Amino acid sequence: GESVGLHLPTLSVQEGDNSIINCAYSNSASDYFIWYKQESGKGPQFIIDIRSNMDKRQGQRVTVLLNKTVKHLSLQIAATQPGDSAVYFCADTPGSGNTGKLIFGQGTTLQVKP
Amino acid sequence: DTAVSQTPKYLVTQMGNDKSIKCEQNLGHDTMYWYKQDSKKFLKIMFSYNNKELIINETVPNRFSPKSPDKAHLNLHINSLELGDSAVYFCASSITPDNYEQYFGPGTRLTVT
Repeated sequence: GESVGLHLPTLSVQEGDNSIINCAYSNSASDYFIWYKQESGKGPQFIIDIRSNMDKRQGQRVTVLLNKTVKHLSLQIAATQPGDSAVYFCADTPGSGNTGKLIFGQGTTLQVKP
Repeated sequence: DTAVSQTPKYLVTQMGNDKSIKCEQNLGHDTMYWYKQDSKKFLKIMFSYNNKELIINETVPNRFSPKSPDKAHLNLHINSLELGDSAVYFCASSITPDNYEQYFGPGTRLTVT
């Protein structure tokens, strides 16, 4: 069945360093891949998405890379700040029609050390 | 000016009771969702409505019944609550179903004792 998984449950980085959060997926039919950030006690917040026909997309301080050959997705955060501390989820779309259905991975907790 | 709001924020109740969680969005979005997040942070879609019509109905017990009186509101009613229903429930909305930028509410932490 469909699954989206993250490689590491926790990632600890020094403030100012770059962070890389990885994700693997199994569904080759996914149209979109999306990253969400969830701060403690809050709902998830959209960060960035990438369409399946793209390899890379950049936002403000974030870059998402998609490698369809190995079914791997990564989120890179440049110059990580304390405010980036959160749980990060990757999600994909089942490719079964435009219903808005997202399949979320388990989440990686990013800890930023001052 | 909260975009997606849910009430209540916390809900503690006993097994067997019936409870409702309300959700409202003021973003003018067509599509609304209910998600369940368990204690391990796993987030799973339960239902989705587009313009008051049900478009996603995952494998959820019949005890869960969503209701959308208008496209700005999506409520979740749960009958005969069980211990396993304890979780955080998130409401979300998006402009349309094929826009994957979903706006989440603050969550309702349901504890069943």
